[in-house]
Amino acid sequence: GDSVTQMEGPVTLSEEAFLTINCTYTATGYPSLFWYVQYPGEGLQLLLKATKADDKGSNKGFEATYRKETTSFHLEKGSVQVSDSAVYFCALSLISSGSARQLTFGSGTQLTVLP
Amino acid sequence: KAGVTQTPRYLIKTRGQQVTLSCSPISGHRSVSWYQQTPGQGLQFLFEYFSETQRNKGNFPGRFSGRQFSNSRSEMNVSTLELGDSALYLCASSLGGGRQETQYFGPGTRLLVL
Repeated sequence: GDSVTQMEGPVTLSEEAFLTINCTYTATGYPSLFWYVQYPGEGLQLLLKATKADDKGSNKGFEATYRKETTSFHLEKGSVQVSDSAVYFCALSLISSGSARQLTFGSGTQLTVLP
Repeated sequence: KAGVTQTPRYLIKTRGQQVTLSCSPISGHRSVSWYQQTPGQGLQFLFEYFSETQRNKGNFPGRFSGRQFSNSRSEMNVSTLELGDSALYLCASSLGGGRQETQYFGPGTRLLVL
């Protein structure tokens, strides 16, 4: 079945450090790819997305490129801030039977940024 | 535009009881999906409703059910609660089209089963 594998956490960085969170996927079709972020006690917020190969999603300094050849969608940020501390989820979306969709999520990566 | 709202935000129930959770999607969105989030299993898809019809269902027992109303609001019901049903239940809405659409999530309902 379809699946998403994220790098294991937790990840602890100092402020202004470079961030990479790895994400790879397995899908039977041609998925759209997403990064969502969850702050403590809250729901999920869309961080960025890409819908076709070689697309780059970007938002708030975060970037991720849809790499079909390596089935990857790694999240990067050049300089993290304390306010980026959260849990990050990689996800894919596929059309299943008919036009129905569902998001398949990775296990999440807890990021803590220290001042 | 108002976001996805979920009520109640917190709920405590005992084993064997049943519970109903409510979700109001973003105005104009016709698709509502439900997800269960637990520390052990992560985020798992429960079901999706579109125009009052269930379009897709995840791998959960029949105790989990849902429905959608003509105004796109959705409810999720869990009957005969078990301890393992303790989780954060997230609702997400979207316009209801293709795989490239973004699903927008509500803040969740945190259910504790004692």
